[in-house]
Amino acid sequence: DAKTTQPNSMESNEEEPVHLPCNHSTISGTDYIHWYRQLPSQGPEYVIHGLTSNVNNRMASLAIAEDRKSSTLILHRATLRDAAVYYCIHIAGGSQGNLIFGKGTKLSVKP
Amino acid sequence: KAGVTQTPRYLIKTRGQQVTLSCSPISGHRSVSWYQQTPGQGLQFLFEYFSETQRNKGNFPGRFSGRQFSNSRSEMNVSTLELGDSALYLCASSLYAANTGELFFGEGSRLTVL
Repeated sequence: DAKTTQPNSMESNEEEPVHLPCNHSTISGTDYIHWYRQLPSQGPEYVIHGLTSNVNNRMASLAIAEDRKSSTLILHRATLRDAAVYYCIHIAGGSQGNLIFGKGTKLSVKP
Repeated sequence: KAGVTQTPRYLIKTRGQQVTLSCSPISGHRSVSWYQQTPGQGLQFLFEYFSETQRNKGNFPGRFSGRQFSNSRSEMNVSTLELGDSALYLCASSLYAANTGELFFGEGSRLTVL
């Protein structure tokens, strides 16, 4: 069965970079990796996604391993507002594209 | 631009009853997908509807069903409720299929089964 694995929690200091890892060892060629984050009492919010190469946007960067079995979400300068649960999602491509969620990493940011 | 709206936000049911939850997607979005979130299992994909057709389905029993209307609004139904169905039910809409782009989530409907 497809599976994604993330650490339960991580801590960071404000204004320092944060690297959130995810293992998706069952990924196949057309499967995407998405990252979402969820603040308390809110629905998840899109952060970034990628397929093979590294991706950057205004929120974060996504580094994908060459074998694609793992990825790392990089927040370049953590702020207090980045404290949330971050979900790595393995999205199967094709017409049967189920979404496989990791359990999420709770990120705490210390001032 | 209005976001994804889910109703009701909170509800309490008893075992054996059924429940219907509603999701209004962002205007123009054709895909609505549903998710169950519990402390034990985390976020789990239920199913996705695209242009009124179920596109794919997660690993949930047949008691969980859904539909999508011509205006893209979607409902999910859970019949014969069990205590373990207590959860936050989230829906998300997207312009294209759920596995191809950004999902926009609602705030969820919190179901408590007594």
